[in-house]
Amino acid sequence: AQSVTQLGSHVSVSEGALVLLRCNYSSSVPPYLFWYVQYPNQGLQLLLKYTSAATLVKGINGFEAEFKKSETSFHLTKPSAHMSDAAEYFCAVSSNSGYSTLTFGKGTMLLVSP
Amino acid sequence: DSGVTQTPKHLITATGQRVTLRCSPRSGDLSVYWYQQSLDQGLQFLIQYYNGEERAKGNILERFSAQQFPDLHSELNLSSLELGDSALYFCASSPGTGANTGELFFGEGSRLTVL
Repeated sequence: AQSVTQLGSHVSVSEGALVLLRCNYSSSVPPYLFWYVQYPNQGLQLLLKYTSAATLVKGINGFEAEFKKSETSFHLTKPSAHMSDAAEYFCAVSSNSGYSTLTFGKGTMLLVSP
Repeated sequence: DSGVTQTPKHLITATGQRVTLRCSPRSGDLSVYWYQQSLDQGLQFLIQYYNGEERAKGNILERFSAQQFPDLHSELNLSSLELGDSALYFCASSPGTGANTGELFFGEGSRLTVL
């Protein structure tokens, strides 16, 4: 079975500050890992994904994440927060072994203050 | 715009009733996924269809059922509704059979309120 744990249901940062959203995964097989973003009243959209190529993955809107197998982590970062980054962020895991479904974490709401 | 269309956007009904949620996937996508999003449970995978056939089942209640039609649109049927079924129901689609590539395209959801 696979699962992800997102630490912190809410994270608050000031505009221009570093954004760090934490995600730890559990998987019995090599995982594929993803971050999705959900803006208010919208569906989820893919931010970035790790599929066993480079461990540092760059996504849209200046976000990136690093896969660390030893720490079973896939934290999402952005050097400088913008007001438009305020949204809910979901970490998700699937398996690279044949067919798999996508399992989401409970989400982290990012609040950005001026 | 993800290209995935869900109707209705909002639905209010009473306990014990039955509703049908509809999803049209992106053009060319063969897989359709249904997810339930609630405050207490988060985003829960319900069921997946690929080209008309059920491929995977998650935490879907027996009161719920789904199908995918030959034109690839999908319907999620919720019956004997309870207050706890109030949630946002998302449909997503992808080109292939599995979620390995991870890029699921989500609709904007159908918000169900059971009174």
